[in-house]
Amino acid sequence: EVQLVESGGGLVKPGGSLRLSCAASGFTFNNAWMSWVRQAPGKGLEWVGRIKSKTDGGTTDYAAPVKGRFTISRDDSKNTLYLQMNSLKTEDTAVYYCATNLNYSYSYMDVWGKGTTVTVSS
Amino acid sequence: EIVLTQSPGTLSLSPGERATLSCRASQSVSSSYLAWYQQKPGQAPRLLIYGASSRATGIPDRFSGSGSGTDFTLTIGRLEPEDFAVYYCQQYGISPRFTFGPGTKVDIK
Repeated sequence: EVQLVESGGGLVKPGGSLRLSCAASGFTFNNAWMSWVRQAPGKGLEWVGRIKSKTDGGTTDYAAPVKGRFTISRDDSKNTLYLQMNSLKTEDTAVYYCATNLNYSYSYMDVWGKGTTVTVSS
Repeated sequence: EIVLTQSPGTLSLSPGERATLSCRASQSVSSSYLAWYQQKPGQAPRLLIYGASSRATGIPDRFSGSGSGTDFTLTIGRLEPEDFAVYYCQQYGISPRFTFGPGTKVDIK
């Protein structure tokens, strides 16, 4: 069964750091381009960033609100995606989803995890 | 940056009725790069449509997508009770890579 399971969410103070993980199973992780998408309470979806597969260069792209503060990485030996979040702000409070595409199309996401909740508050 | 606008914000309909949801882009979008998602409360989004009109695996044929350029439409032929949810359009571009519309909530009249 194809599955993405996020973990690592929690309560953190403004200015703090947190690392999220996304464990993948049921597909060839090292070929997948992986994204993080977040959703603030009661709001819509916001793309956070993406990492390509290592065979496609392993490069990253980020949304403007998180660029320079968030870093996406991957460990293909562990089938795990990471999101390192530094200098957190209250507006980073959201459910964070990892997502991918199983059909090697980079333009939409057809597999999503259930999400992990990050709360930034003093 | 391409901005997506969805209308209406809320659509109140009865089961069995037809739902027509609109997604308008601030600049022309390649049809290949337009997708639709459904999200129910407490759940992750689910891909419905990609490439503007192709149904994702397992999606019933009452869901259909159409459009080109700056105007795209998601149609739900006859609403089933499980279709009441929020629907988002999404486009793929240069920067940012993915942009979502604000969503249309389809609720029970």
